[in-house]
Amino acid sequence: KAGVTQTPRYLIKTRGQQVTLSCSPISGHRSVSWYQQTPGQGLQFLFEYFSETQRNKGNFPGRFSGRQFSNSRSEMNVSTLELGDSALYLCASSLGDRSGGYTFGSGTRLTVV
Amino acid sequence: QQQVKQSPQSLIVQKGGISIINCAYENTAFDYFPWYQQFPGKGPALLIAIRPDVSEKKEGRFTISFNKSAKQFSLHIMDSQPGDSATYFCAALTGGFKTIFGAGTRLFVKA
Repeated sequence: KAGVTQTPRYLIKTRGQQVTLSCSPISGHRSVSWYQQTPGQGLQFLFEYFSETQRNKGNFPGRFSGRQFSNSRSEMNVSTLELGDSALYLCASSLGDRSGGYTFGSGTRLTVV
Repeated sequence: QQQVKQSPQSLIVQKGGISIINCAYENTAFDYFPWYQQFPGKGPALLIAIRPDVSEKKEGRFTISFNKSAKQFSLHIMDSQPGDSATYFCAALTGGFKTIFGAGTRLFVKA
């Protein structure tokens, strides 16, 4: 059973640019959640998509957006990048019900210079 | 109300000892409490989880103790090994299907 795949693994961008990160969940999983991980702030929830609809949203500015496709693959977009956006972005897939926990990908390490 | 408070921030344990990490929550609507283990360069991995109708769950060397009245739960790692050195996160699932994470505990097991 293939795990959660995130691409790319590493990314370096310049302030003001935009970036798109991709996540392929485990087959059969309908929910994809995105988290930002930084040393000082831990795991901060960005948003969750379930069956192509945003079901939950964290407290991030509108520069952070996402979407989910009919095959459950998800993308996350960050526009007008700031230095503070440098972080590990993690995608987690689940069935989306209350039966179990997440399976995380290895993350995308974004560095903004 | 949506927070999960985790302690300690870091922990050093001798090989063979017991590692104990504690978490507390306020929202009684939380109904699923997983623990995740994260190694450097990897995403967190689900380790063990418990629901509030059970006071304890054991899987191998890992045990969750759950105190519903105190709104606290803890992870015990028995016979801790150097390979257990990692960051551990407690978490709680909200009624709205969102998982809230604790701040994490960095565990180092000395050989």
